[in-house]
Amino acid sequence: GQQVQQSPTSLVLQEGENAELQCNFSTSLNSMQWFYQRPGGSLVSVFYNPSGTKQSGRLTSTTVIKERRSSLHISSSQITDSGTYLCAMELATGGNNKLTFGQGTVLSVIP
Amino acid sequence: AQTIHQWPVAEIKAVGSPLSLGCTIKGKSSPNLYWYWQATGGTLQQLFYSITVGQVESVVQLNLSASRPKDDQFILSTEKLLLSHSGFYLCAWSHWGASYEQYFGPGTRLTVL
Repeated sequence: GQQVQQSPTSLVLQEGENAELQCNFSTSLNSMQWFYQRPGGSLVSVFYNPSGTKQSGRLTSTTVIKERRSSLHISSSQITDSGTYLCAMELATGGNNKLTFGQGTVLSVIP
Repeated sequence: AQTIHQWPVAEIKAVGSPLSLGCTIKGKSSPNLYWYWQATGGTLQQLFYSITVGQVESVVQLNLSASRPKDDQFILSTEKLLLSHSGFYLCAWSHWGASYEQYFGPGTRLTVL
């Protein structure tokens, strides 16, 4: 089965609303990262968050490693927040710090 | 500051033709290097990783190969492209050792016709 489950698959918000994106992992992990994927495919790192809570502007990430979950909170959403958000778990085995990605959440922020 | 470059930006190739994609990391010595691939509409998955020059490990069998000829260079290649190789290829690096953030390049879009 899928090791990384992201929810929701898609989300439509009105500008100014808050968004909560979830990521659940079926195996143990060392850390995790959140990315924004541009329409062309390139990745923008949003958070590297092994544990605890991190905030950057309107974005907040909370990771609870023992419970194998992480969330990304976007407050006061803006149209420019629209796009695909990916979470990825990292499990370091045999020298390989492998990232396993989720399927992504497609966020649409409308006026 | 470290920078990561990938080339080419995009390629359109015929089935059965050879392929070579490149990745260079500047400003970081002895990084761990990775290749990831995303089929159109699919999930990003790791293809290869390398922890040192000349040493590359395959993670997924896709009839592709990778090499690390220099400390700062990672090459992805095949002698015969398949339609299924189409997609987006991303190179990434991290510090050597356990559990570090990975930094991604801008990617290469490959279309196989």
